[in-house]
Amino acid sequence: KNEVEQSPQNLTAQEGEFITINCSYSVGISALHWLQQHPGGGIVSLFMLSSGKKKHGRLIATINIQEKHSSLHITASHPRDSAVYICAPYNNNDMRFGAGTRLTVKP
Amino acid sequence: KAGVTQTPRYLIKTRGQQVTLSCSPISGHRSVSWYQQTPGQGLQFLFEYFSETQRNKGNFPGRFSGRQFSNSRSEMNVSTLELGDSALYLCASSLGAQGAGNTIYFGEGSWLTVV
Repeated sequence: KNEVEQSPQNLTAQEGEFITINCSYSVGISALHWLQQHPGGGIVSLFMLSSGKKKHGRLIATINIQEKHSSLHITASHPRDSAVYICAPYNNNDMRFGAGTRLTVKP
Repeated sequence: KAGVTQTPRYLIKTRGQQVTLSCSPISGHRSVSWYQQTPGQGLQFLFEYFSETQRNKGNFPGRFSGRQFSNSRSEMNVSTLELGDSALYLCASSLGAQGAGNTIYFGEGSWLTVV
């Protein structure tokens, strides 16, 4: 079993739809990052959270440490949100990565 | 202020050769970490340096090594290149240690092709 499971692997949405990407991990962590990777390779860190919920514009990230689960939500999705989203739990100086969710938002 | 800068952006090497990649972190950042990304394995952590000391190393063979200089710039080296080393190598910097409540900032990466 992979230590970090993301779902779905691929997601296609219409512009304006509400998007949810899920991440489950099997070990205890001290923090979890949500990353966004656009075609061409560049990665941007969207959130780093260790508890509760964070919001930045149309993006919301939540984490439940006890259930070892985090979600990334995008409200009112837009074609420019099309990218790969990767969750990365961190513990004991070690960062692991999910396989990523490829999101395509159609106009 | 300038972001994380990686050089070179693209390179092609032959099996058996060695390669050195460079990373200049954001000014003031003391932590530099390196990652490998391949289509098959996804993103994997290579190592992290903080104040010139290696804090942690991922599960990679000894052919992969790195170092950090007093100005926080970092290099990673891969010796005796194999075809499977073809990948995007990403560097990231943060103010403090990776993951310890610090946001990480990624460079654009170095695309290595081994032929």
